[in-house]
Amino acid sequence: DTGVSQNPRHKITKRGQNVTFRCDPISEHNRLYWYRQTLGQGPEFLTYFQNEAQLEKSRLLSDRFSAERPKGSFSTLEIQRTEQGDSAMYLCASSPTSGSPLHFGNGTRLTVT
Amino acid sequence: GENVEQHPSTLSVQEGDSAVIKCTYSDSASNYFPWYKQELGKRPQLIIDIRSNVGEKKDQRIAVTLNKTAKHFSLHITETQPEDSAVYFCAARDFGNEKLTFGTGTRLTIIP
Repeated sequence: DTGVSQNPRHKITKRGQNVTFRCDPISEHNRLYWYRQTLGQGPEFLTYFQNEAQLEKSRLLSDRFSAERPKGSFSTLEIQRTEQGDSAMYLCASSPTSGSPLHFGNGTRLTVT
Repeated sequence: GENVEQHPSTLSVQEGDSAVIKCTYSDSASNYFPWYKQELGKRPQLIIDIRSNVGEKKDQRIAVTLNKTAKHFSLHITETQPEDSAVYFCAARDFGNEKLTFGTGTRLTIIP
């Protein structure tokens, strides 16, 4: 068990560019979550997958954001036409069953210049 | 939706003393309350959690208490050590809802 893995750890991009992050959950965890954390704040829920199905999306997830988990294993989060307000830490978490504790990855820190 | 408030935002404690962090939640349907510790540049790590059918839970120097009537829960750290310095987040979730709502965090500093 190597834990939840996220890549890249850091991403610097110019405003207007597209970025994609990857999350590899703990093996056999069928639930996968994306959260966003800005400086001095707690993580904010973005979206949640059970296997390959995206079951819930936050209103924070604008049309520029899209997440996929095509085979029910790893997940990607894409942000199109990035804005400076998108600068944050994007955290992925996984859990084995409903109601189980979440295990977080180290996150991808996005800086939009 | 759920709203979680956390106090204080910063807390300095002399090494060896106790630290208490408090959270309140708004949704009476919430029934799961975890606490996460996040060191600088690292992932949030679960340190203890409690479900609504229990009033208190302990794990060595860490304890969590829950008052369902008042809708608040607290983290207690006894015999604090320098490695307890970190940001601590409380969170709440209701049964059947996969979304965890976090508080804004408490930066705990242990003074040697």
